[in-house]
Amino acid sequence: GIQVEQSPPDLILQEGANSTLRCNFSDSVNNLQWFHQNPWGQLINLFYIPSGTKQNGRLSATTVATERYSLLYISSSQTTDSGVYFCAVIPGSARQLTFGSGTQLTVLP
Amino acid sequence: NAGVTQTPKFQVLKTGQSMTLQCAQDMNHEYMSWYRQDPGMGLRLIHYSVGAGITDQGEVPNGYNVSRSTTEDFPLRLLSAAPSQTSVYFCASSDPSGTEKGRWHFGDGTRLSIL
Repeated sequence: GIQVEQSPPDLILQEGANSTLRCNFSDSVNNLQWFHQNPWGQLINLFYIPSGTKQNGRLSATTVATERYSLLYISSSQTTDSGVYFCAVIPGSARQLTFGSGTQLTVLP
Repeated sequence: NAGVTQTPKFQVLKTGQSMTLQCAQDMNHEYMSWYRQDPGMGLRLIHYSVGAGITDQGEVPNGYNVSRSTTEDFPLRLLSAAPSQTSVYFCASSDPSGTEKGRWHFGDGTRLSIL
């Protein structure tokens, strides 16, 4: 099946810093989403972005489908950004998400 | 609009017991799925459904059963609980053709411990 690799696995930032999280995938996809799992365990859908660029406040995401990667940018990070960020894809004709192993982000005050 | 609702939020079972994790969505989504999340790992697909009466196995289906008699509900049954099934279980839904095409929504999870 498709492989989804996220980097870095862990990231520690000071409040106010910027960061870039990366998601590489091994096959073509028709769906890519970024999720934030907050410290209470809830999964929040950040972006549905199979291609192109989207922005939502301090967060933005870019997917280059032809090169099989996606980037999540977090600017001016806040302590509430802490948690695990997951990339999930749906390859080809499949209809269900396959998740990466996540990036654990810690933002220090 | 409650989204995806999972019950219970927490459960402790003894090895060999059976139970049903409930999942309901009020968005009229065709697609529904069950995932499990183990410490330090991403989510792995257990079973999924693309519509009422249609279910299929995911990556880790052994020890679990599902049915989909209505669009709204997608219960997950543990047939004979084992310690290896200690995990956090997430239910999710998606509308493959509507205004939020392809966007998946997750419940808050059920934390299950098997002793």
